[in-house]
Amino acid sequence: GAGVSQSPSNKVTEKGKDVELRCDPISGHTALYWYRQSLGQGLEFLIYFQGNSAPDKSGLPSDRFSAERTGGSVSTLTIQRTQQEDSAVYLCASSSEATGMNTEAFFGQGTRLTVV
Amino acid sequence: RKEVEQDPGPFNVPEGATVAFNCTYSNSASQSFFWYRQDCRKEPKLLMSVYSSGNEDGRFTAQLNRASQYISLLIRDSKLSDSATYLCVVNLAMRFGAGTRLTVKP
Repeated sequence: GAGVSQSPSNKVTEKGKDVELRCDPISGHTALYWYRQSLGQGLEFLIYFQGNSAPDKSGLPSDRFSAERTGGSVSTLTIQRTQQEDSAVYLCASSSEATGMNTEAFFGQGTRLTVV
Repeated sequence: RKEVEQDPGPFNVPEGATVAFNCTYSNSASQSFFWYRQDCRKEPKLLMSVYSSGNEDGRFTAQLNRASQYISLLIRDSKLSDSATYLCVVNLAMRFGAGTRLTVKP
C-alpha cells in the first residue's frame, strides 16, 4: 500500500522485556516522526529523522528508548526493559520534507503496546 | 512552558453552533502550522494548513497571529460528524498540541 505501515498493530509484553516497533514510511518521504499517545492524551513527540541529518532525539523520555532509521527508509523504535508506564499507542508519521507550508504528515495506524 | 498549548476542552456544542479553538506556541521561529483531526482510536489526519493570511475551507477557517504566537480554528454550522479531537501542529519537527475535544450534540 501507499500509506505509512506500522507493525505490529498490537503488542503485549511482560515488564522488563525489550520490544521493537517498526515503521515503514511512504516511499520517498525524507522526514519520519515517532510519537507516543497515552489513553485520552495528546501526541508526545519522541524523535524525528530528516534525511541524513542527525536525528532530533529531544523527546525520548529515557535512555531505555532508542530509534534508528536504516537507509533513510524503515525505522525501528526500541524500548528496553519495558515498564508499565510505557503502555501507550506509538504512532509513526512521515512527510516529504521537514518544514514547509504544505508539508502534510501522514500517520500509520499505530502500535498499541501493553506492558503487563 | 510547553511548545504548543491548547485548551483540552471538552467543548460540547449543539448542531449548527459556531465554535472556535485556539492554540499558542512558544517558538517564534516556527514556520508552518496545521490543524489535524483525530477520531476516537484512529490516527490523526490533516484537516487544513494554516496560512499567514488566514484560509478557509468550507465551514472551517484557520487564522495565524504571529505577533501573539497563536493559531485558531473556527468551525461554523457544526455537524454531528465534526465530533473529534482537534490537534494543532507547529512545525519545526511537527510538535503537536494536546488536542481539543469537540462533541456536537443533536
